[in-house]
Amino acid sequence: EIVMTQSPATLSVSPGERVTLSCRASQSVFIDLAWYQQKPGQSPRLLIYGASTRATGIPARFSGSGSGTEFILTISSLQSEDFAVYYCQQYNNWPPLTFGGGTKVEIK
Amino acid sequence: EVQLVESGGGLVQPGRSLRLSCAASGFIFDDYAMHWVRQAPGKGLEWVAGINWNSGKIGYADSVKGRFVISRDNAKNSLYLQINSPRAEDTALYYCAKGQQWHFDHWGQGALVTVSS
Repeated sequence: EIVMTQSPATLSVSPGERVTLSCRASQSVFIDLAWYQQKPGQSPRLLIYGASTRATGIPARFSGSGSGTEFILTISSLQSEDFAVYYCQQYNNWPPLTFGGGTKVEIK
Repeated sequence: EVQLVESGGGLVQPGRSLRLSCAASGFIFDDYAMHWVRQAPGKGLEWVAGINWNSGKIGYADSVKGRFVISRDNAKNSLYLQINSPRAEDTALYYCAKGQQWHFDHWGQGALVTVSS
């Protein structure tokens, strides 16, 4: 099983700041990596797939990078609606498909 | 518009059974893999099971293998999860998710399953 590790667990930021979230895989997943956003009381929403391709309707302030075992989700200028929990997920090798533990982005 | 609507959740006693359903619309159902993903209260996301378009490839998380059964009926645009011998640790919100390759591009609102005596 590929283990996904996200850091930090919680990030306190102010609106307008640049945010960088990290996701590490226990073995290479090439670029088979997706990012999701989940707001309280809502279902997750796909942000990024293929490590760097934005999903339909996702604002350009969200970007993904990386390959192999190290991945980054960047929010260029945090908006109020971006406060949420972010999850990465590998889909290179299944079963199982695996998620990271999540990073909570909260208001500073 | 893609819609995924789960049903069948509720309170179930340990060792009994429960079947979740997911009604899909707004896309060609039998073109896509489908999945169940769950989230225990206050916890992260856990993939439970997935099934490809023609049921030719099925996979399970180790935590549910041998107890849960995923299936689909393409004629009815429906996905199912049979939960057998549930345990307290299976208590969670169960999401139906549409697969795009093997990530998830649309999610339902979830069905809550509570396992308790």
